[in-house]
Amino acid sequence: GAVVSQHPSWVICKSGTSVKIECRSLDFQATTMFWYRQFPKQSLMLMATSNEGSKATYEQGVEKDKFLINHASLTLSTLTVTSAHPEDSSFYICSAPTSGGPSTDTQYFGPGTRLTVL
Amino acid sequence: DQQVKQNSPSLSVQEGRISILNCDYTNSMFDYFLWYKKYPAEGPTFLISISSIKDKNEDGRFTVFLNKSAKHLSLHIVPSQPGDSAVYFCAASAWYGGATNKLIFGTGTLLAVQP
Repeated sequence: GAVVSQHPSWVICKSGTSVKIECRSLDFQATTMFWYRQFPKQSLMLMATSNEGSKATYEQGVEKDKFLINHASLTLSTLTVTSAHPEDSSFYICSAPTSGGPSTDTQYFGPGTRLTVL
Repeated sequence: DQQVKQNSPSLSVQEGRISILNCDYTNSMFDYFLWYKKYPAEGPTFLISISSIKDKNEDGRFTVFLNKSAKHLSLHIVPSQPGDSAVYFCAASAWYGGATNKLIFGTGTLLAVQP
């Protein structure tokens, strides 16, 4: 299957600092990538849709100024958590579909990034 | 508003027996459904999918059944193996004419296969 990587796999930072998480599609191009977060024992919640060459689309309740998304190329999307606070501690996962068509494309997920804000 | 629901948070099955994981949805616009397997601290791994024009899709030990009238789908794993122990998420998407579609995930079911 297609490979999606994330970097870093885990990060610990101080409250008030910013953290950047990278998501790369390694063997295919992705005009769209998705960012999710997962709290312990909860479902994956979609945060935003990252679009190459245009602005990201954020889900209701997600602060776009706090979670900055940049889809710089067809293989890279970045999520920057600005002025991170302890409540931002979570498991962040990105995904990318292998085709840009209707519903029948399959999304492949990165391994996730564990963010801990002290 | 939880559009995709997995009402069983956990399931325990003996090795070699059938595992049946259930998922219900409320949005009639969903036309594509997927099952993912997830280990702790890892990203989900795609297992199997089904389009709304079908009622069954089989891939090896995994079969997904879709009942559109009941807005219900299930994943059958036969025979179950200890390595199948993980959290299983069902997900659904609907095509609104955009380039691609976001997935709505259920809350997950933790499957434990006992040796």
